[in-house]
Amino acid sequence: LAKTTQPISMDSYEGQEVNITCSHNNIATNDYITWYQQFPSQGPRFIIQGYKTKVTNEVASLFIPADRKSSTLSLPRVSLSDTAVYYCLVGDMSGNTDKLIFGTGTRLQVFP
Amino acid sequence: GAVVSQHPSRVICKSGTSVKIECRSLDFQATTMFWYRQFPKKSLMLMATSNEGSKATYEQGVEKDKFLINHASLTLSTLTVTSAHPEDSSFYICSASTTMGSYEQYFGPGTRLTVT
Repeated sequence: LAKTTQPISMDSYEGQEVNITCSHNNIATNDYITWYQQFPSQGPRFIIQGYKTKVTNEVASLFIPADRKSSTLSLPRVSLSDTAVYYCLVGDMSGNTDKLIFGTGTRLQVFP
Repeated sequence: GAVVSQHPSRVICKSGTSVKIECRSLDFQATTMFWYRQFPKKSLMLMATSNEGSKATYEQGVEKDKFLINHASLTLSTLTVTSAHPEDSSFYICSASTTMGSYEQYFGPGTRLTVT
């Protein structure tokens, strides 16, 4: 399973764009990159998933360079409610690996 | 989207007793369910993986006789913490996927266990 490395914490202000980068140097061919958000005392919530290039949904964008050794979660115009821990996970979506391993996550604090 | 529930949301028990936590997939059939525990300000730690109708696969260092997992149906998995001790106090989270792999994992809201 590919290990991920993220910054432990980040600070931002309301209205700013936040980019959280995750390193996964040992990512395998079948691995997808998935980001989750977790609020205190709640289960993680799926944000976005991608394999390569760029993926965008209503809440975030995910940028993945050609070598796939890193990925960047982009949150446009954050608000106070985006204060949470963000986890980057790498997992085999072909069914060969049936578990996800959580890294340390990035604790994002948004200030008014 | 797919919904996973857990019951109870929080439980307090005395040391030496056993506690059962239920994880249900409400609107889909979960071939695989996962159990995690999380200590304050720490990341989620995978405890075990269970596939419906078969024995759970435990991660290294997790005592299978202490944390009993049953996945009797495609919508229900249970985690029983046997002979609980204060060090078992933690936040327990389950997740479920609709395939044999970890694609599209949906997480429950978690159960806060406090052992006194």
